Amino acid sequence: NAGVTQTPKFQVLKTGQSMTLQCAQDMNHNSMYWYRQDPGMGLRLIYYSASEGTTDKGEVPNGYNVSRLNKREFSLRLESAAPSQTSVYFCASSGLTAEQFFGPGTRLTVL
Amino acid sequence: KQEVTQIPAALSVPEGENLVLNCSFTDSAIYNLQWFRQDPGKGLTSLLLIQSSQREQTSGRLNASLDKSSGRSTLYIAASQPGDSATYLCAVILAYNFNKFYFGSGTKLNVKP
Repeated sequence: NAGVTQTPKFQVLKTGQSMTLQCAQDMNHNSMYWYRQDPGMGLRLIYYSASEGTTDKGEVPNGYNVSRLNKREFSLRLESAAPSQTSVYFCASSGLTAEQFFGPGTRLTVL
Repeated sequence: KQEVTQIPAALSVPEGENLVLNCSFTDSAIYNLQWFRQDPGKGLTSLLLIQSSQREQTSGRLNASLDKSSGRSTLYIAASQPGDSATYLCAVILAYNFNKFYFGSGTKLNVKP
């Protein structure tokens, strides 16, 4: 049982480049989330998806887009990366008990 | 708005000590409370989940308690070991909004050999 997986683990981008972070879960969870974690700021919700086919903004959605491709997969896209988007990105999922499970994270640096 | 606070921000103890980490929240209408562990450079690992109707949960040397009326939860770690060194975070989800988890800023624990 893999749980929540994320790719890539590390990424370095130049300002203005685009990229997509991939997330998949094998626990048949309806809800999926994207967070960023920055020193001194804690975990902040970027976007979430309460069920397949729906997505909603969290606290810090600007500069990001998401796609809930199917029940398993939830991707996060940076269309034009900025240095302020340097962060660690976590995907998470939860089911009926609302217990959250996290992926290992993607460490993104934007130069 | 729900606010979750964890005190202390950092804690250093000698190996073998029993210790308590604290988590407080302002809105008592929670659905559940979850404790996580985060090792440096890693993701969050779920330790214990307490539903709002429960008073405590236990897993090995860990015991988490919940007092909704006072807006508090504690994580008790018995006989601490150097391998327990990590950051511990608590998170709550409200009974009337399943779409958002509120996280504390964490307690960084260092267990000295």
